[in-house]
Amino acid sequence: DSGVTQTPKHLITATGQRVTLRCSPRSGDLSVYWYQQSLDQGLQFLIQYYNGEERAKGNILERFSAQQFPDLHSELNLSSLELGDSALYFCASSPQINTGELFFGEGSRLTVL
Amino acid sequence: DQQVKQNSPSLSVQEGRISILNCDYTNSMFDYFLWYKKYPAEGPTFLISISSIKDKNEDGRFTVFLNKSAKHLSLHIVPSQPGDSAVYFCAADLTGNQFYFGTGTSLTVIP
Repeated sequence: DSGVTQTPKHLITATGQRVTLRCSPRSGDLSVYWYQQSLDQGLQFLIQYYNGEERAKGNILERFSAQQFPDLHSELNLSSLELGDSALYFCASSPQINTGELFFGEGSRLTVL
Repeated sequence: DQQVKQNSPSLSVQEGRISILNCDYTNSMFDYFLWYKKYPAEGPTFLISISSIKDKNEDGRFTVFLNKSAKHLSLHIVPSQPGDSAVYFCAADLTGNQFYFGTGTSLTVIP
């Protein structure tokens, strides 16, 4: 158990819909990362937050947005969903920015029909 | 633009033998490299790392080698055990801002 909690574990929805994925980082971790893993793809970095502030942005679509709340949990919002958005979405946390290790949650599997 | 590449999607090794997993990267600014292991239905877990100022780091059966001139990273597992069967991701870090992951290599250790 990494200490990172992601909900929901599985989600099935239709094209055009909007979903919210939630992540609770390890206790004390200030940094939260979101990654997308599509079929046969590696982990694509989406976005990073540190202590409530956006720190770095990767290949995140404009239809996607995220935020980190004062209690340090984070949400990833995916809107106008397309079939290609079906993927595993991982959240990871780390104690600070310049650290070498990320602790991953078990992921949220999104299926868009 | 895949900055970290794992060109072998899969690898099979006999139990007790050495497993060698390879990773190539393109950005010479990466300063920290990591290997993660992933079992089905679980998130990736950290395995071993190496700073760009070193060329080798060892932790038990796991050794990571870094060849900066070739922009190449490898993970050696000796001896390989059936429990090592998993997907292995290499990752590279740009001063803690972003971690770039490879596509993974699925290792099967045959008893």
